[in-house]
Amino acid sequence: GAVVSQHPSWVICKSGTSVKIECRSLDFQATTMFWYRQFPKQSLMLMATSNEGSKATYEQGVEKDKFLINHASLTLSTLTVTSAHPEDSSFYICSAGVAVDMDTQYFGPGTRLTVL
Amino acid sequence: QKEVEQNSGPLSVPEGAIASLNCTYSDRGSQSFFWYRQYSGKSPELIMSIYSNGDKEDGRFTAQLNKASQYVSLLIRDSQPSDSATYLCAVRREYGNKLVFGAGTILRVKS
Repeated sequence: GAVVSQHPSWVICKSGTSVKIECRSLDFQATTMFWYRQFPKQSLMLMATSNEGSKATYEQGVEKDKFLINHASLTLSTLTVTSAHPEDSSFYICSAGVAVDMDTQYFGPGTRLTVL
Repeated sequence: QKEVEQNSGPLSVPEGAIASLNCTYSDRGSQSFFWYRQYSGKSPELIMSIYSNGDKEDGRFTAQLNKASQYVSLLIRDSQPSDSATYLCAVRREYGNKLVFGAGTILRVKS
């Protein structure tokens, strides 16, 4: 089956630093990638949708200048949390889909971000 | 009103029993419905998808959809302790490819 990886699986950083999270589709080409955030005991909240080669579409309330998304190729999307603060500590999950079957999203294993 | 609503639980059932999980949604035009299982600290994994009214069975799992009532359910037969997890209901809106998730129901299967 389709595999999506994320790197790193966990990261601890100091407040004010930037953190980059990579999401890769290992055995298929993903036309669309989704980035979710999940706080403890809460559900997944979609942050943004990115299509290869175009700008990401951010959900209402998500700061696009703080959460930079790049989808440079059909197998790689990156999320950069700029000037991270403790309130950005969360579980970040990406998923990938292909245009012909957008009902199927393949989820990555997630990245646990802790900002001190 | 939340777009996708679930009872947060926890729902406790004894091993071997049937667990019944429910979900309602507000967008009447929604076409695709999904149940995901999420273990603590892990990302969601897809259990079932359903698109038409009625029942869809896959092993011990049965998804039920009633579009008129805007209601989706998941039945887990012969529940096992390994089924203990949070179950997320997700809906794809009529237009676009985004999934909207409910808050999830915690299921605990006691041996």
